[in-house]
Amino acid sequence: KAGVTQTPRYLIKTRGQQVTLSCSPISGHRSVSWYQQTPGQGLQFLFEYFSETQRNKGNFPGRFSGRQFSNSRSEMNVSTLELGDSALYLCASSLAGQHGNEQFFGPGTRLTVL
Amino acid sequence: GENVEQHPSTLSVQEGDSAVIKCTYSDSASNYFPWYKQELGKRPQLIIDIRSNVGEKKDQRIAVTLNKTAKHFSLHITETQPEDSAVYFCAASYGSARQLTFGSGTQLTVLP
Repeated sequence: KAGVTQTPRYLIKTRGQQVTLSCSPISGHRSVSWYQQTPGQGLQFLFEYFSETQRNKGNFPGRFSGRQFSNSRSEMNVSTLELGDSALYLCASSLAGQHGNEQFFGPGTRLTVL
Repeated sequence: GENVEQHPSTLSVQEGDSAVIKCTYSDSASNYFPWYKQELGKRPQLIIDIRSNVGEKKDQRIAVTLNKTAKHFSLHITETQPEDSAVYFCAASYGSARQLTFGSGTQLTVLP
């Protein structure tokens, strides 16, 4: 099976712009979670989507949003970018269900805000 | 919310020695505890996980132990090899939630 894929791999934006990141989960996986990784804050949970519905949300401002499509692919959007949004954004897919907690990460999108 | 603390932040061992990384969690409702290995510039990779109904789990040179009473869990790597050098993260979640709370990471260096 192909692993989790993310596009684009690298992005450079300026303050005030918005950005959309995409994640394709492993085939058959129905849950997609997003995480932000920075040297200072480590790995932090953003949100999780399952069956096109946001199930959980981390402690991030409303500028961070996401959605999931019927094929389980997910996108996250960050509006009004700030310098502090520079980070590696990782998505992880999971089977969901009773024993579906295992999350498998994609390669990430490296976002740089100038 | 859940808080996970991880120690040590850096660990250097000689090739062939054992390495132990420890994590504590705050939410007694947490019941799923994975460990991830992240090499430089790569994605985090799930290396082992344990659920709260199990006290210990082993996979070749890697083992994880869980003490629910004390709310701590540990990663044990035996016969370390240079390719084990990486950052290791512990994490915790509860129920069916796939909201992982991560520890701050341990940079493991295996010296040849």
